Amino acid sequence: RKEVEQDPGPFNVPEGATVAFNCTYSNSASQSFFWYRQDCRKEPKLLMSVYSSGNEDGRFTAQLNRASQYISLLIRDSKLSDSATYLCVVTASGSYIPTFGRGTSLIVHP
Amino acid sequence: EAGVTQSPTHLIKTRGQQATLRCSPISGHTSVYWYQQALGLGLQFLLWYDEGEERNRGNFPPRFSGRQFPNYSSELNVNALELEDSALYLCASSLTGVDGYTFGSGTRLTVV
Repeated sequence: RKEVEQDPGPFNVPEGATVAFNCTYSNSASQSFFWYRQDCRKEPKLLMSVYSSGNEDGRFTAQLNRASQYISLLIRDSKLSDSATYLCVVTASGSYIPTFGRGTSLIVHP
Repeated sequence: EAGVTQSPTHLIKTRGQQATLRCSPISGHTSVYWYQQALGLGLQFLLWYDEGEERNRGNFPPRFSGRQFPNYSSELNVNALELEDSALYLCASSLTGVDGYTFGSGTRLTVV
């Protein structure tokens, strides 16, 4: 089983739609979780950290479920500019090495 | 505040040659991570440096090596280049890792 798994997509949604991505991780000792966004041929950029209590930043909501070992990202009211690849990142306790999922591709169309 | 800077932006080398890639972290960040991202693939962890020491390395052959300097900048060296080494090489820095990792814009290495 891969350390961090994501559905590669692509998710093809119309503007204004709500879309959700899940990411599962295998190491139960994982302690830090993030969502990154990567545009084509660019570097990944931090979208948001994921906290145990869940957190929201505008149209974006991230959730962590430690019991089931997954994190999620919800995007409401999708914009064309949200089209990108979304990367799930997990760091295991004591490892300090961020492990990236292969990413989920989102395409928002008019 | 300057971000993470990488040089060169693009690099073209011939199979068998050596490549040197450079990374300057955000001021105050002591950890530098190197990743390889081949076309259409995910980020594969290469090396982690912290406080001048190599702390961990990924599942790559020894011809991938590097170092971190006293000012926390870092070099990645790839010897005996192979065609499959063609990829985007990304450097990221962090202070503690708790607040995430900031990436440079990468070096696109092409081996011909």
